[in-house]
Amino acid sequence: GAVVSQHPSWVICKSGTSVKIECRSLDFQATTMFWYRQFPKQSLMLMATSNEGSKATYEQGVEKDKFLINHASLTLSTLTVTSAHPEDSSFYICSARDMAGGLLFSEQYFGPGTRLTVT
Amino acid sequence: DAKTTQPNSMESNEEEPVHLPCNHSTISGTDYIHWYRQLPSQGPEYVIHGLTSNVNNRMASLAIAEDRKSSTLILHRATLRDAAVYYCILRDPYSGAGSYQLTFGKGTKLSVIP
Repeated sequence: GAVVSQHPSWVICKSGTSVKIECRSLDFQATTMFWYRQFPKQSLMLMATSNEGSKATYEQGVEKDKFLINHASLTLSTLTVTSAHPEDSSFYICSARDMAGGLLFSEQYFGPGTRLTVT
Repeated sequence: DAKTTQPNSMESNEEEPVHLPCNHSTISGTDYIHWYRQLPSQGPEYVIHGLTSNVNNRMASLAIAEDRKSSTLILHRATLRDAAVYYCILRDPYSGAGSYQLTFGKGTKLSVIP
């Protein structure tokens, strides 16, 4: 099956610093990638939709200047958490849609997640 | 968006079948029913999806009610590795810009007892 990787798998950073998380589709091309955030014992919440070559679309309440998303190629999207604070500590998960799937049957493939802890 | 309702948790004995229910009484005619599951500390993984007819794959079976207002995910023989949160999600591929988005509810936490 299709594989999506994330790097790093976990990161600890100090308050005020920035952290970049990479999401790669390893064996397929993805015009659309999604970024989710999941707090402990809660469900996944969609943060933004990332389209290759264009600006990301952010969900209501998500600060676009704080969570910078770049989708420069068909296999790579990055999420940068700028000026991180302890409340940004969370499990960040990306997913990618296989272009070959078509409208009706394309499924999303999820990465393994990145655990961010801000001290 | 049409919403789904699932029990918060369920238990099953190992090697027995598990039936995970999902209610979606406001489903539209173009909504597909998707199931994903999330193992602890991992990203979700696709399980199965369907529109009207029952579906089978190597992981599970999906039984869809005739009126499509409910569905059931069937794991034929639960293993310890099936312990996860199972999400029932509706997706309308014709809804324009948001057609690829998945909206996760709280899901059902399945515990498998050895």
